[in-house]
Amino acid sequence: QVQLVESGGGVVQPGRSLRLSCAASGFSFSSYPMHWVRQAPGKGLEWVAVISFDGSSQNYADSVKGRFTISRDNSKNTLYLQMNSLRAEDTAVHYCVREVAYGGSYFDFWGQGTPVTVAS
Amino acid sequence: EIVMTQSPATLSVSPGERATLSCRASQSVGSNLAWYQQKPGQAPRLLIYGASTRATAIPARFSGSGSGTEFTLTISSLQSEDFGLYYCQQYNNWWTFGQGTKVEIK
Repeated sequence: QVQLVESGGGVVQPGRSLRLSCAASGFSFSSYPMHWVRQAPGKGLEWVAVISFDGSSQNYADSVKGRFTISRDNSKNTLYLQMNSLRAEDTAVHYCVREVAYGGSYFDFWGQGTPVTVAS
Repeated sequence: EIVMTQSPATLSVSPGERATLSCRASQSVGSNLAWYQQKPGQAPRLLIYGASTRATAIPARFSGSGSGTEFTLTISSLQSEDFGLYYCQQYNNWWTFGQGTKVEIK
């Protein structure tokens, strides 16, 4: 079955960096665009970043552009999010999300999320 | 950015009753609209895509309608497992979510 397992979250000071990972299994990872979506405590969902199935293109929300980098290693079935210059407002559960391979660009499967807390 | 607005913020419903959730887009998104359900401590789950198509294994009591800027999610007869948060999402122009509707037990 489809599994997305995030890791790498934790507590970090403002201005520092963190790298999240998402291990995918149960499907052909290299065929799917992948996303990161986050949810601040008690808040709604915010799209963060997307990467194409082959890693050739990426796009970001304005709130993280220039600070975050999404990447993937299809040989390892793993998605990454490098987060630099972290701010208090980046505190959130970060979800690894699969976009459908065709027929639209909605999200058909979500990982359980990894929490990131930015605090001094 | 397309802004998605959901109403009401909270909906109190008795088990067995119908629940109607609304979602409005700040500009037309065609039928590129999805609904997700989220329970406390869990990841969101896809319910509806294409405004009206149920995702795999989603019960028939969930139905979606609308196009353009006005959308509705209807739960025909609420079951205990249906209480939680519901989000709409447009995927016509990047991706944005509504702020959510909480469906609680009356």
